[in-house]
Amino acid sequence: GAGVSQSPRYKVAKRGQDVALRCDPISGHVSLFWYQQALGQGPEFLTYFQNEAQLDKSGLPSDRFFAERPEGSVSTLKIQRTQQEDSAVYLCASSPAGGSAPLFFGSGTQLSVL
Amino acid sequence: GESVGLHLPTLSVQEGDNSIINCAYSNSASDYFIWYKQESGKGPQFIIDIRSNMDKRQGQRVTVLLNKTVKHLSLQIAATQPGDSAVYFCADSPQGGFKTIFGAGTRLFVKA
Repeated sequence: GAGVSQSPRYKVAKRGQDVALRCDPISGHVSLFWYQQALGQGPEFLTYFQNEAQLDKSGLPSDRFFAERPEGSVSTLKIQRTQQEDSAVYLCASSPAGGSAPLFFGSGTQLSVL
Repeated sequence: GESVGLHLPTLSVQEGDNSIINCAYSNSASDYFIWYKQESGKGPQFIIDIRSNMDKRQGQRVTVLLNKTVKHLSLQIAATQPGDSAVYFCADSPQGGFKTIFGAGTRLFVKA
């Protein structure tokens, strides 16, 4: 595709439910990032993949958050036992380079936990 | 720790005027700086970047200025248009790293 694609666009979950958010990066992009954006705030780094290797997961808020990119392309961010504080927009970005390069973002998944 | 912040949360300008959005960063080891534009319901969109070995870079209607002495970054938009209304983020990537750190953003309003 022409850009980074994320699905679903919106997700409503009841507290305690598990959710899975999908990201299709730009074809050929080595780097993939997940960010969390609270309302009125800047994106906060969650995790980074270079191909299939998860090189940094220091931003994941808790062990309820898990990300994978098994074949070095599509990535999934999973949140187990969702809590209200998990409500945010989850942004995925990809980049052709490993660092010091612009990120190309998807439109995000807006997660609301009730 | 690393932080990238902005001086003003909102900026209102008249259509056709020039806009200046400012940003401060704290990590002296940062060597790559980026400005992103985010419209409602969309992800951030790359506008322009600059590396620490430069102090000015120009694009189409946009200019980024970097002052490493005072750790200050600015984005200048010439002849601001209604389509420029959005939230603008400065971001910073440390030398040798890949993690891009975003500031809180400045919302730009363009009055017709």
